[in-house]
Amino acid sequence: AQKVTQAQTEISVVEKEDVTLDCVYETRDTTYYLFWYKQPPSGELVFLIRRNSFDEQNEISGRYSWNFQKSTSSFNFTITASQVVDSAVYFCALSKYGNNRLAFGKGNQVVVIP
Amino acid sequence: ETGVTQSPTHLIKTRGQQVTLRCSSQSGHNTVSWYQQALGQGPQFIFQYYREEENGRGNFPPRFSGLQFPNYSSELNVNALELDDSALYLCASSLGHPLGVNYGYTFGSGTRLTVV
Repeated sequence: AQKVTQAQTEISVVEKEDVTLDCVYETRDTTYYLFWYKQPPSGELVFLIRRNSFDEQNEISGRYSWNFQKSTSSFNFTITASQVVDSAVYFCALSKYGNNRLAFGKGNQVVVIP
Repeated sequence: ETGVTQSPTHLIKTRGQQVTLRCSSQSGHNTVSWYQQALGQGPQFIFQYYREEENGRGNFPPRFSGLQFPNYSSELNVNALELDDSALYLCASSLGHPLGVNYGYTFGSGTRLTVV
């Protein structure tokens, strides 16, 4: 079974601060995919990143960066110099190769205070 | 390129009624999945359709059913509505076989269903 744990429920930061969202996953599969999605108040889930289990390189995209550590089963997400537009719920998700259904964590509500 | 569109955006139904939610997938996407998101929770997988056939189902009772049409659009039907069915229902589409590489999904904005 796939399981994703996002321990922090709501995180408040002042604009321009950095914020890191933790994601810990459980799976018995050797090939799997990890995702982060952003859910603004409008409701749709916006795709941020996909990482497969064989690629442990960290990634940076603008103010966003991701740290994948297979040894600790974690896939953490950092927003640098946060902005008010970053206020949203962020979900980490997992799927195994050969079955594309996503198992989501409970999400992190990020509130950026101007 | 249009994204995933869902209708209606909001719906209020009475317990015991039936409801149909609709989804138009992103152009070219042949796989459609449905997720239920209760308030304050992450989305839960309901089922997935590939080329008009159900291809995987989550832990939902049979009163949750679906269809996919030749143009890859989809419907989610829920019979005998219960209060706990109140949630945001998200449709997601993707390209490729659901048992192959997962390139990720494009999600719609969802239908907010309230059962009273």
